[in-house]
Amino acid sequence: NAGVMQNPRHLVRRRGQEARLRCSPMKGHSHVYWYRQLPEEGLKFMVYLQKENIIDESGMPKERFSAEFPKEGPSILRIQQVVRGDSAAYFCASSPGDGSPLHFGNGTRLTVT
Amino acid sequence: ILNVEQSPQSLHVQEGDSTNFTCSFPSSNFYALHWYRWETAKSPEALFVMTLNGDEKKKGRISATLNTKEGYSYLYIKGSQPEDSATYLCAPLVDGGSEKLVFGKGTKLTVNP
Repeated sequence: NAGVMQNPRHLVRRRGQEARLRCSPMKGHSHVYWYRQLPEEGLKFMVYLQKENIIDESGMPKERFSAEFPKEGPSILRIQQVVRGDSAAYFCASSPGDGSPLHFGNGTRLTVT
Repeated sequence: ILNVEQSPQSLHVQEGDSTNFTCSFPSSNFYALHWYRWETAKSPEALFVMTLNGDEKKKGRISATLNTKEGYSYLYIKGSQPEDSATYLCAPLVDGGSEKLVFGKGTKLTVNP
């Protein structure tokens, strides 16, 4: 059973470009979480999704950031018009729900130049 | 916003020492508490999910206790080894909440050989 797959592992974007980060949850997991790790900080919650629904996006910046988890395919975290402050490691996690532990992917490290 | 406090922020111990650290969380509407272990350059891994007041869970040399009435959990490591060096994160789940997991800033443990 493959774990949570995130790609790409590393992503370099120039200021103003778009970044798309992908996350395929573990088989049988319908809950997906996105977190951001900024330098010298811990894991900051961004958004929690279930298939086709955003359940809680209270940690998402109001502008430029969006997330989806379609019926088919991976969850996508999209950052439009990236700025240097968006440089961070973005982690995705999945679970079957009901308070079960999260399984994390290896993260995508975004660098904005 | 859930107020999750972890202390100490960092800890240095010698190999063979036993150690413990604390996670404090709001006691109202408690549902569950998650503990994770996060090694440098890796992704977080679940240690325990605790739900019952007075619960104690153990995994090898690591154990955790839970007090839901006063809103705290202790994580203990017996006979620390260098491979225990990691950041230990906790996250409470609230009953009636959205099932999002908001992590504390973590306790960074360094075990010196």
